[in-house]
Amino acid sequence: AQSVAQPEDQVKVAEGNPLTVKCTYSVSGNPYLFWYVQYPNRGLQFLLKYITGDNLVKGSYGFEAEFNKSQTSFHLKKPSALVSDSALYFCAVRPRNNNNDMRFGAGTRLTVKP
Amino acid sequence: ETGVTQSPTHLIKTRGQQVTLRCSSQSGHNTVSWYQQALGQGPQFIFQYYREEENGRGNFPPRFSGLQFPNYSSELNVNALELDDSALYLCASSLAGVLTDTQYFGPGTRLTVL
Repeated sequence: AQSVAQPEDQVKVAEGNPLTVKCTYSVSGNPYLFWYVQYPNRGLQFLLKYITGDNLVKGSYGFEAEFNKSQTSFHLKKPSALVSDSALYFCAVRPRNNNNDMRFGAGTRLTVKP
Repeated sequence: ETGVTQSPTHLIKTRGQQVTLRCSSQSGHNTVSWYQQALGQGPQFIFQYYREEENGRGNFPPRFSGLQFPNYSSELNVNALELDDSALYLCASSLAGVLTDTQYFGPGTRLTVL
């Protein structure tokens, strides 16, 4: 069975510092990988996805994610955090042959301190 | 904003009642997926609708049912509500036939069951 793990419930960084939100997955084959962000009382906003090709994927709002096949990880990164980046971040995976089986991690709450 | 709309925003029901939630997909999208997000958890896949038929289902009982209409909008119906049904219900639209398609989420409906 496929699964997604976000090992950190919370991540706290100072504004201007780099941030990393971790995600590992267990899915057979080569899945599609996604990051979404959720602000309070809002739905999920798409940030970026990995389909194939370059292991470093660039997305919205200056976020990027690094796909590592050997470690089955897809960590979200940003070189310089903003206070407005504070939100709940979700990693998701989906098998390549099934577009209706998206699995989400439990989420990581990112807090960026001024 | 994604263009995916959901109604109502909030809903309060009592145990045993029935509820209908509505979703309008983003322009050009023909597939709607529904998710349940309990407090402090990631979204859990309920089911997906494509061409007005259910196209995949997660681990939810039959009292969770849905419809998709010719304009691709969708309804989620839950019968015999239980306290554990209290959650944020999210719909996401996408374009089927493109396996790399991204799901875009609406703002959600917050359901409280008393």
